[in-house]
Amino acid sequence: EAGVTQFPSHSVIEKGQTVTLRCDPISGHDNLYWYRRVMGKEIKFLLHFVKESKQDESGMPNNRFLAERTGGTYSTLKVQPAELEDSGVYFCASSQEVKTGSTDTQYFGPGTRLTVL
Amino acid sequence: RKEVEQDPGPFNVPEGATVAFNCTYSNSASQSFFWYRQDCRKEPKLLMSVYSSGNEDGRFTAQLNRASQYISLLIRDSKLSDSATYLCVVNSGDTGNQFYFGTGTSLTVIP
Repeated sequence: EAGVTQFPSHSVIEKGQTVTLRCDPISGHDNLYWYRRVMGKEIKFLLHFVKESKQDESGMPNNRFLAERTGGTYSTLKVQPAELEDSGVYFCASSQEVKTGSTDTQYFGPGTRLTVL
Repeated sequence: RKEVEQDPGPFNVPEGATVAFNCTYSNSASQSFFWYRQDCRKEPKLLMSVYSSGNEDGRFTAQLNRASQYISLLIRDSKLSDSATYLCVVNSGDTGNQFYFGTGTSLTVIP
């Protein structure tokens, strides 16, 4: 079974430019999460999709970040315009259906390493 | 206050040693607990879930103390391949299914 895949693996852009990250979850997983790790800090939650709906976007830093999951399959995370502090590793994770009172294991993709110059 | 606190280490231990990692969490509503392993420049991978009764998987033993909001991981007979960063992960409980991560504890097993 294919795991979570992310594209690109690395991206180097200049401040003010736009970057779009893509995540393909494990087939059949309804839940898709985006996380970010800024250098020296812990991995932090950005948002959670259940199928195509945003379940929780409380971790999104500001309105320069836009996540979509049209059709409930792959997801994109766009940063526009990028700022220096957006540099870090962006991880995507997916899990199967979440039932009330339980938590499914989240499987992580390899991450996209974003560098904003 | 951080949601999950871990000692970042580093822990440098000889092969065959036993090593223990601890973490504490702040949200008493958290329901699920995990240890993930992360190799350098790789994604986090699930090592084991942590249950209230404690659980063991080979050389690895995880314990949960809900009253103290404390989680532990014990590694026996350390192997060189155990060298990695170990992440303590706690779910958000009532507020949803997001994960809260500790900063990770770095382990190096020395020949």
